[in-house]
Parts: sequence; structure tokens; C-alpha cells
Amino acid sequence: QSVLTQPPSMSAAPGQKVTISCSGSSSNIGRNYVSWYQQLPGTAPKLLIYDNDKRPSGIPDRFSGSKSGTSATLGITGLQTGDEADYYCGTWDSSLSAGVFGGGTKLTVL
Amino acid sequence: EVQLVESGGGLVQPGGSLRLSCAASGFTFGGSWMSWVRQAPGKGLEWVANIKEDGGKIYYVDSVKGRFTTSRDNAKNSLYLQMNSLRAEDTAVYYCVKLAARQCMDVWGQGTTVTVSS
Repeated sequence: QSVLTQPPSMSAAPGQKVTISCSGSSSNIGRNYVSWYQQLPGTAPKLLIYDNDKRPSGIPDRFSGSKSGTSATLGITGLQTGDEADYYCGTWDSSLSAGVFGGGTKLTVL
Repeated sequence: EVQLVESGGGLVQPGGSLRLSCAASGFTFGGSWMSWVRQAPGKGLEWVANIKEDGGKIYYVDSVKGRFTTSRDNAKNSLYLQMNSLRAEDTAVYYCVKLAARQCMDVWGQGTTVTVSS
């Protein structure tokens, strides 16, 4: 049982838009910044979004992040088959004094 | 190029020990918090530990407290994870991760596999 809650799977057609939710509490998302990670099959995770809504250099603007209260959202527009991956949200939990992740969302682009 | 390379994984019996190493390059290792994250087969990411730049502050997930110890040698640009009293549920790929501010994991190693089995 993950501290942060994500939908286990989502699917959408190429070119469409998808939003992945990440729900937490006042001790984690409500108090700290959220990052998002993309894990392509068989590879290590990669940072996609940090500080709720910032993109590292090299990440296309098709990827966006937002946060409101105790929830965060990852948005992907113009879906491509190469976006098929597992996506994880992560943050710090100030009550647990621990890093926490969502359970991950498997995105299928069909 | 910023790079993290883990080593030391392998097969170990329950109750055994293993020491993972992570060699860092391409950034100021001594100026960075570092982290360990693991991923059990077919499962999601699990944060394991954070260690401050000078090793003066360390945090662990509850499930490894008292069994795992992370440390660093800034002179050698290296991070370590000493794992004792290993259990089957510790079987996972272990990633060495560079932390930027605010728990942002901006650089990941390729991972090293630990299998705990008799």
C-alpha cells in the first residue's frame, strides 16, 4: 500500500492527451514539492517533472505538472507510442520523515 | 557526463549480508544529498534511504531500519549501502540516486540486482 495513490493503469490513443493523478495528504503533497518520474520498460527511472511543475532540460513541453492541495497531476499531450511507460509521483513525507512514491501508473498508448 | 554506477549486487541467502557501492562522477558528489531506491520484481519504486552531503543526517524507510546502513566517502565519490539480516522481501533492483533540492531525484544509476534466496 503506497502512501501516494495513483491509478494503476491508463490508456489513450496516439495524439491524445492523458492526465495522471497522484493523491496524498497534508504531510506529504500538501506540504512538499512533487516530482514525477518516467520508467521505460527495462530501464531506470528518469526525472520528468520537479518542484510540482518544472521540466528538466531535454524534457519536451508535452509533459506538464501541477499541484493543488494534497493532489498532483501529470499531463501528457500529443501522446506517442514512445510514451508507453510507468509513471511515478514522489515527494517527502514530513510526518514519516521518509521519501514516498505513488504505486505507479502504467500508460498504454494504443 | 553525470553518472552513477552501482555494483555489489548478487545472490545471498536469507540472513546474509551484502554491501552495495555506487561510484559517482560528473558532479560535485560531496555537495549532494544521495538516496537509495529499490524496486522489487514487477513492483513499484520504494524509497530506502537518504544521506546528507556530509553524512551527518540519514533517513531510512522503516522496513530496513536496524538492518541497513548507508554511508559515503566523499574523497572517493562513493556511496555505500550495507545490508545485513537480508530477507526475501529485500529482493529488488537497487538504484543509487542523486538528490537535488526538495526530494527531487534528478540522476539515477542503472541499478544493481539483489536476490535473497536459499
